[in-house]
Amino acid sequence: DQQVKQNSPSLSVQEGRISILNCDYTNSMFDYFLWYKKYPAEGPTFLISISSIKDKNEDGRFTVFLNKSAKHLSLHIVPSQPGDSAVYFCAASVHFGNEKLTFGTGTRLTIIP
Amino acid sequence: EAQVTQNPRYLITVTGKKLTVTCSQNMNHEYMSWYRQDPGLGLRQIYYSMNVEVTDKGDVPEGYKVSRKEKRNFPLILESPSPNQTSLYFCASSLLGGESNQPQHFGDGTRLSIL
Repeated sequence: DQQVKQNSPSLSVQEGRISILNCDYTNSMFDYFLWYKKYPAEGPTFLISISSIKDKNEDGRFTVFLNKSAKHLSLHIVPSQPGDSAVYFCAASVHFGNEKLTFGTGTRLTIIP
Repeated sequence: EAQVTQNPRYLITVTGKKLTVTCSQNMNHEYMSWYRQDPGLGLRQIYYSMNVEVTDKGDVPEGYKVSRKEKRNFPLILESPSPNQTSLYFCASSLLGGESNQPQHFGDGTRLSIL
């Protein structure tokens, strides 16, 4: 039972345009959400997070939106750059700590120069 | 440099031959965890540890053992590896508690092939 779903395995976006990566979850107990970015032959690196008390969090070119009623979050990257080409994982956790992370299956983002 | 170090990075071995994947972090993190990444399944947690001598099962613990005798090290042990444990493994660590959630830091992965 996949509690965190990323339904798009891949996404291609023109350089300079907006990239939107989506994530859905089923467990209503999740209250903290994170996005990780992964390059080949490297481990995932933390990108941005959001608590369930917020509906938006912004960090430079990256913004995460949370829609609790729809159990949906999205990551917006504006403008997209070639270095953003990577696999993006969303993850969720229950309660305050993020120790027990449940990951989605990942979306491979390719930025076309 | 703050990092999580896994060894080996690559290993090909045979069914039933015990192996250990080491994980070490230099950030004085209380929390450490092991994940496996498989195509179409994302990262799934195997075991985690909240501190020295405190370990617990994740979502897919069968066939694995761990120990946490020192704060910096969290080895993953496959006592009798089988082909279905062929996967990409990641170790992660983080601080616990505090006012804000602390993101987990990941190692660069260990690719295991069990023949």
